[in-house]
Amino acid sequence: GAGVSQSPRYKVTKRGQDVALRCDPISGHVSLYWYRQALGQGPEFLTYFNYEAQQDKSGLPNDRFSAERPEGSISTLTIQRTEQRDSAMYRCASGGQVNTGELFFGEGSRLTVL
Amino acid sequence: QQQVKQSPQSLIVQKGGIPIINCAYENTAFDYFPWYQQFPGKGPALLIAIRPDVSEKKEGRFTISFNKSAKQFSLHIMDSQPGDSATYFCAASNSGNTPLVFGKGTRLSVIA
Repeated sequence: GAGVSQSPRYKVTKRGQDVALRCDPISGHVSLYWYRQALGQGPEFLTYFNYEAQQDKSGLPNDRFSAERPEGSISTLTIQRTEQRDSAMYRCASGGQVNTGELFFGEGSRLTVL
Repeated sequence: QQQVKQSPQSLIVQKGGIPIINCAYENTAFDYFPWYQQFPGKGPALLIAIRPDVSEKKEGRFTISFNKSAKQFSLHIMDSQPGDSATYFCAASNSGNTPLVFGKGTRLSVIA
C-alpha cells in the first residue's frame, strides 16, 4: 500500500486479555516507531526499530508491553493482561531514513479495555 | 519532565488572520524541529521542519521561526483559511540518537 497500514482499526477487549496490534510500514522504510496518543494529547513515544533491531524501548510503560519486527518490515505491538489504563490510540509511524527525517503516521489502532 | 512545551492549548482566529503557536524545549542536543498537522480521525502529517542552522523557514503560508538562544520555535500561518483548522503539534529530536518527542498540541479553529 501507499501509506502506513495499521490493524485492527478498533479493538475492544476485556481487562486481562492480551492484544496484538499490527503495523505494516511504507515499503522500504527503515525506521518504524510506535507511539500512544491519548485524546487531546500529543503522541507519546513507546519504542522504535531500525530494520529488525529494536533500538529504544524506553517508552514502553511496563513489561506487559512488547514489540517486535522480526523481518524488518511488519511490526507487532503486544499488550499482555490488558488494563483499563491501556485504553488509547496506538499509532505506528515509519521513516525512510535512520533516526532522522519525516515520519509517516498510520491512522492508528483505537484500543478500548473494558 | 515534559521535553517540549507547547502553547496555547487552543486558538481561534478569523479567516485571513495569522495564528502563532509557540514551543519551548529544554534539551540543547535537539537539532531537528518539525511541526505536524493532524485532522480529526487521521494520523499526524509533517507540515514543515527546521534545523538550528537557520532562524526561519518558509513553505507557502507556513513559517517556522527559530530562536536557538531562547530554545524556542514557533509556527506562523499566514492568511489562515478554514481548511487550516486542525491540531498542530511541535516536536523535537536529536538526530541519530533520540526519537521525536511531541508537544501536547494546539487546536486551531479558523472561522470564516
